[in-house]
Amino acid sequence: DGGITQSPKYLFRKEGQNVTLSCEQNLNHDAMYWYRQDPGQGLRLIYYSQIVNDFQKGDIAEGYSVSREKKESFPLTVTSAQKNPTAFYLCASSIMVGGATYEQYFGPGTRLTVT
Amino acid sequence: AQSVTQLDSHVSVSEGTPVLLRCNYSSSYSPSLFWYVQHPNKGLQLLLKYTSAATLVKGINGFEAEFKKSETSFHLTKPSAHMSDAAEYFCVVGRGGSQGNLIFGKGTKLSVKP
Repeated sequence: DGGITQSPKYLFRKEGQNVTLSCEQNLNHDAMYWYRQDPGQGLRLIYYSQIVNDFQKGDIAEGYSVSREKKESFPLTVTSAQKNPTAFYLCASSIMVGGATYEQYFGPGTRLTVT
Repeated sequence: AQSVTQLDSHVSVSEGTPVLLRCNYSSSYSPSLFWYVQHPNKGLQLLLKYTSAATLVKGINGFEAEFKKSETSFHLTKPSAHMSDAAEYFCVVGRGGSQGNLIFGKGTKLSVKP
């Protein structure tokens, strides 16, 4: 069954702790993305990766870090430097062919609460 | 630069009546446009996409959208609302260039009354 998995679904952390969110895809997509969703704000791009061992900052990368050691995996670390980490985090993937824009497929999301 | 504006943050309809969710976009070239749906605490699901092949795009679950270049609009419609359509809907435009990134509208929450 092809798709994107994110774990865990709910995550609770104390302020000052780093936390890593998992994202795995078996769609054989080259590109992967991390978004943050806050009520009434739509989705905002944190980081994206178009190829293994390479990634780019999105619109709100401060306080976050990523790695792309395998095509299937794109974990996101929320560091203690992120001022407002409590949010719903969504991972997505898409094909990459030339310069065209393709639809993205989304995982079920991880809701992070930091107190 | 590309941008997208969803004109209503909340739309309420009765079951069996038509649905209209409005979206305007700004793009310096022929855009790629999408509509996604999100049910509470879930990921996003693609409803339909416009990539310049046809101006009237049909999607899943009876939804369709019409690309109107002169009005820079891409409104989402459905002839008859169902209770299961209650969700949040996002209009999305491709950012362009080689990034393949998407720019999301702020969303329209659709409520369906029995």
